[in-house]
Amino acid sequence: AQTVTQSQPEMSVQEAETVTLSCTYDTSESDYYLFWYKQPPSRQMILVIRQEAYKQQNATENRFSVNFQKAAKSFSLKISDSQLGDAAMYFCAYRKTSGSRLTFGEGTQLTVNP
Amino acid sequence: DVKVTQSSRYLVKRTGEKVFLECVQDMDHENMFWYRQDPGLGLRLIYFSYDVKMKEKGDIPEGYSVSREKKERFSLILESASTNQTSMYLCASSFPDLEGTDTQYFGPGTRLTVL
Repeated sequence: AQTVTQSQPEMSVQEAETVTLSCTYDTSESDYYLFWYKQPPSRQMILVIRQEAYKQQNATENRFSVNFQKAAKSFSLKISDSQLGDAAMYFCAYRKTSGSRLTFGEGTQLTVNP
Repeated sequence: DVKVTQSSRYLVKRTGEKVFLECVQDMDHENMFWYRQDPGLGLRLIYFSYDVKMKEKGDIPEGYSVSREKKERFSLILESASTNQTSMYLCASSFPDLEGTDTQYFGPGTRLTVL
């Protein structure tokens, strides 16, 4: 079975600084998808960024980028120029290429200090 | 934009009550999911449905059942609520996009307290 681990229950960053959230996963599949979801306080969870395992290039969405290390089974999220609105719970998730089920990590609570 | 709505944001029930949590999506998505979210455990899949009247157990189906009579609506049922079912319940829906990534879209969640 696939597992996803987020080893940082809480992180904090100063506004305008850069922060990296860690995620590791375990799978025997060679092709899969990885996701970072953001859950703001009392608001709906939204997709931040996704990465296809067969793509070597790291995904980027504006201030959000990932460092995907397939051999190490690592998928970290980098947030540049952190903003107060980035404060949220962040979840890393994995999905096999075939099928729709997501496996989530435990989550990392990010605090952004002004 | 995809909209996934859940019938209640907060719900308080008594032990032994039958509880219905409703989820509706407006984008004709085939797949719908029910998760529970607990601190330190992330989201765990309870059940999902890939078509009307079709369902599949997730990782923690015990004590729960589901119903999907119409494509847009997916209900989670707690037959006899227990205190260990106090949790945040999240519904999601998805449909494979052109890239095949099958992104899930989430509802706002229902925080259920069982006394």
